[in-house]
Amino acid sequence: AQTVTQSQPEMSVQEAETVTLSCTYDTSESNYYLFWYKQPPSRQMILVIRQEAYKQQNATENRFSVNFQKAAKSFSLKISDSQLGDTAMYFCAFILYNNNDMRFGAGTRLTVKP
Amino acid sequence: EPEVTQTPSHQVTQMGQEVILRCVPISNHLYFYWYRQILGQKVEFLVSFYNNEISEKSEIFDDQFSVERPDGSNFTLKIRSTKLEDSAMYFCASRAGTGTGELFFGEGSRLTVL
Repeated sequence: AQTVTQSQPEMSVQEAETVTLSCTYDTSESNYYLFWYKQPPSRQMILVIRQEAYKQQNATENRFSVNFQKAAKSFSLKISDSQLGDTAMYFCAFILYNNNDMRFGAGTRLTVKP
Repeated sequence: EPEVTQTPSHQVTQMGQEVILRCVPISNHLYFYWYRQILGQKVEFLVSFYNNEISEKSEIFDDQFSVERPDGSNFTLKIRSTKLEDSAMYFCASRAGTGTGELFFGEGSRLTVL
């Protein structure tokens, strides 16, 4: 069974600084997707960034980037130039390429302080 | 932009009553999901649905739960004989196909069982 672990229940960062959220996962499969979803207080989960396991290059979306280490099964999210609007729960998620079951980590609550 | 919509946004019910949560997935999507999030806790997979049948379900999704797609647009989750521990946010999600892996989430339905 696939599992996703986020070991940081809460983190905080000063506005404009950089923060890294950790995620590890466990699978014996080689074809899968990894995601970071953001859940602001308004509740809806929004995709932040996606990584296909077959791609060695780390995904980047504006201020958000990942450090994908396939051998180590690690998928961390770096947020640069943190903004107050980045305050939210962040969930790491995993889905096998031909599977329907997306698994989430327990989440990391990020607070950006002014 | 197409979005997943859920109704009701909040439902309060008495223990033992039946509840139906409704979702309208994005129209050209093929895979549909229900997830549950007990307040402040992990997002838990309940069930996935493809081609008019359940494709995956978790151990949480027991005989108390059922899903259906009655009319080609709505995707419903029925909870029979609700229990106090069913109180949670229930998120519907849809996915276009296995190509991107990304799930699009609705804003959730908060269920409170008294």
